[in-house]
Amino acid sequence: DTGVSQDPRHKITKRGQNVTFRCDPISEHNRLYWYRQTLGQGPEFLTYFQNEAQLEKSRLLSDRFSAERPKGSFSTLEIQRTEQGDSAMYLCASSLGGGAYEQYFGPGTRLTVT
Amino acid sequence: GQQVMQIPQYQHVQEGEDFTTYCNSSTTLSNIQWYKQRPGGHPVFLIQLVKSGEVKKQKRLTFQFGEAKKNSSLHITATQTTDVGTYFCAGSPGAGNNRKLIWGLGTSLAVNP
Repeated sequence: DTGVSQDPRHKITKRGQNVTFRCDPISEHNRLYWYRQTLGQGPEFLTYFQNEAQLEKSRLLSDRFSAERPKGSFSTLEIQRTEQGDSAMYLCASSLGGGAYEQYFGPGTRLTVT
Repeated sequence: GQQVMQIPQYQHVQEGEDFTTYCNSSTTLSNIQWYKQRPGGHPVFLIQLVKSGEVKKQKRLTFQFGEAKKNSSLHITATQTTDVGTYFCAGSPGAGNNRKLIWGLGTSLAVNP
């Protein structure tokens, strides 16, 4: 399967714990995006990378969120000291380039904070 | 800030009826993309429109990009139960293709058989 993969698919954690999600994009794609989606809403932009460089991070994102793409391939998204409001689907997408290119989404990681 | 609005938020139709969702941007877009998300799934790319006034068709789906490149529409003719899902538009603002997409909130379509 050469699509975008995400791991884990589901994560249940207790409030205050740290969690880390992984995204493996399509191999030749240099753009990688992280989104958050809650029920009935559209994808909410979190951050994106061009190769290993993080080009933009949403101003809505608190300092508890951090993302890396160390070698320009896979990416990780870490949430520290999780809160119940962090419960959502976290989607990763990759593309060949910027806004003129279609984005391919992974299946997402569903986070539940209890 | 830059916004992309979609209407309606929800639409229920009887199978066989037509359906249209509209997308409006606060700024001129260099291109607009449409995605479909089935219940429990992730967004899947449908099409991209680039030119002013462009119209593209995919079987029963017709996509339009406005002359001013600030609005777009998706029309489905004779809906089927397989059309159920949420349809998102996402636009790239301004000139050039290096900007990230701005997403609408989506239109959820329910089709009664």
